[in-house]
Amino acid sequence: DGGITQSPKYLFRKEGQNVTLSCEQNLNHDAMYWYRQDPGQGLRLIYYSQIVNDFQKGDIAEGYSVSREKKESFPLTVTSAQKNPTAFYLCASSIADRGETQYFGPGTRLLVL
Amino acid sequence: GQNIDQPTEMTATEGAIVQINCTYQTSGFNGLFWYQQHAGEAPTFLSYNVLDGLEEKGRFSSFLSRSKGYSYLLLKELQMKDSASYLCAVRANTGFQKLVFGTGTRLLVSP
Repeated sequence: DGGITQSPKYLFRKEGQNVTLSCEQNLNHDAMYWYRQDPGQGLRLIYYSQIVNDFQKGDIAEGYSVSREKKESFPLTVTSAQKNPTAFYLCASSIADRGETQYFGPGTRLLVL
Repeated sequence: GQNIDQPTEMTATEGAIVQINCTYQTSGFNGLFWYQQHAGEAPTFLSYNVLDGLEEKGRFSSFLSRSKGYSYLLLKELQMKDSASYLCAVRANTGFQKLVFGTGTRLLVSP
């Protein structure tokens, strides 16, 4: 079955620690995205990648970093510079970045200890 | 910039019909999406409108009026499993085809 997987489902971060959230897709999609979801707010775009080895900042990129070394994978690192990291993180992909439908992974909930 | 408004919460009864409205202001409009999201889960795609009119897909229909900046999602024959949040998202044609999401409407279906 094709789809998007995210791991882990829950992640705990200590103060000053960097953590990495995994996102993998086997849909052969070129474009991938990371969103953050907070209660009472819409999904906000953190980073996106239109093609392998290329990525761009979204609306709230500060304190986050990404890489896109393989078409299937788009990991997100939450650095210690992100002062309010507690949120639900969603990865999505689409065939290309021409406005096609985005499909979402199951999400990772990040909590700060 | 972009702005999307939808009601925060709605309630309805099993078997009934409910309409969830979404109004938007955006430059370079290039389509509107509706997603369903159950608590703690991923949003799942429901519908897409880029031209004016009604798109019907089983129990769900979505309507768009570009001149009014208005869309609605119509859910018929409501079932308990339809209790979820419904997200309206507008695509802006600004080079990168960015999606801007509303805050979502939480629908509670009661017996």
